[in-house]
Amino acid sequence: RKEVEQDPGPFNVPEGATVAFNCTYSNSASQSFFWYRQDCRKEPKLLMSVYSSGNEDGRFTAQLNRASQYISLLIRDSKLSDSATYLCVVRLGSSASKIIFGSGTRLSIRP
Amino acid sequence: DAGITQSPRHKVTETGTPVTLRCHQTENHRYMYWYRQDPGHGLRLIHYSYGVKDTDKGEVSDGYSVSRSKTEDFLLTLESATSSQTSVYFCAISESTSGQASYEQYFGPGTRLTVT
Repeated sequence: RKEVEQDPGPFNVPEGATVAFNCTYSNSASQSFFWYRQDCRKEPKLLMSVYSSGNEDGRFTAQLNRASQYISLLIRDSKLSDSATYLCVVRLGSSASKIIFGSGTRLSIRP
Repeated sequence: DAGITQSPRHKVTETGTPVTLRCHQTENHRYMYWYRQDPGHGLRLIHYSYGVKDTDKGEVSDGYSVSRSKTEDFLLTLESATSSQTSVYFCAISESTSGQASYEQYFGPGTRLTVT
């Protein structure tokens, strides 16, 4: 079993739709959680950190469920520019090297 | 955007040749990382550095070595390139707060390496 698992997609949704991704992690010692966005043939960029109480940044909402060991990302009112691959990232403790990346979920927004 | 550059951006090389990739940062961040990204896999850590001359192995370090003689430069060397090392290589940096690595990483634009 992979340490961080994501549905690879692709998710193909119309502009304006709401879309949600989940990501599950296997190590209960995981302490920090993030969503990164990666455009085709580009580097990953931090989208948002995920806090225990859940957090929102504009159209994006992230949630953490420690009991079930998953994090989620909700995108409301999706835009064409949201088309990208979304990477779930989990950090174990405070180690500099224990950062695990999911394989990513591909999202395509159609007009 | 964080000041991170990678060179070369693209390279084609033959099996058995040594290859060195360079990562350069202008942010004065303490931590630097080398990852590779392959289809079906998340980014996988090759090596990382927590200071000048301080490096350690990651998950997929076999066949790779690194050096960091200055804060701003982190070099990745493929000692004898193999076809399995065909990949996209990303460098990343993060800052240190209270002696521990920051949670956020910033990535360079990547190097696309093909080993024939």
